[in-house]
Amino acid sequence: QVHLQESGPGLVKPSQNLSLTCTVSGVSINSGGYLWNWIRQHPGKGLEWLGYINYRGSIFYNPSLKSRLIISMDASKKQYSLNLTSLTDADTAVYYCVRGEGYYYSLDVWGQGTAVTVAS
Amino acid sequence: SSELTQSPAVSVALGQTVRITCQGDTLRDYYAGWYQQKPGQAPVRVMYGKDDRPSGIPDRFSGSRSGNTFALTITGTQAEDEAVYYCKSRDSGGNFLFGGGTKVTVL
Repeated sequence: QVHLQESGPGLVKPSQNLSLTCTVSGVSINSGGYLWNWIRQHPGKGLEWLGYINYRGSIFYNPSLKSRLIISMDASKKQYSLNLTSLTDADTAVYYCVRGEGYYYSLDVWGQGTAVTVAS
Repeated sequence: SSELTQSPAVSVALGQTVRITCQGDTLRDYYAGWYQQKPGQAPVRVMYGKDDRPSGIPDRFSGSRSGNTFALTITGTQAEDEAVYYCKSRDSGGNFLFGGGTKVTVL
């Protein structure tokens, strides 16, 4: 069974950077056919796609966050990561790591999400 | 434009049928998928592709497509179907898009 688990700090100060890691189990993270996504949800709001990385290391970023966002992968650790710089309170959200699979890259496996609060 | 539009909310009587729509120009070229989110939980995929239902999703959920609109229909709605439903697709640049979500209330 495929399982994704986010980890990282729950509280970050404004202007600092956020680093989150997603640990993948039950499947090889460098298998073809999958996109490894980060998605967030602001409190009481909808879903926002942040970006994804595939097994080749190709990366797509949400254009609205591209200047502040880096997504990377460490296949040997079965992990991929998000680094978001220059945080403001607008980055307070639940962050999900999510697998995209198949021809339609539908989002078939979601992590439980990790809540991040940006506050001093 | 690269946007997906959903009605904010809909209500349905227990056992009746509800249809949720997702509209956007990009849907003329790309499929939409549907995700159900209950309070305090991560979203769950309920529909993808042309009309593909993941294992474990009841067959009362069905999908359809017409022009720039995708629809998710729940036939014989149950109390446990009360949730927010999001559509998701992509644009020509490879970016993923979400609709704003439709809250389904079961009366």
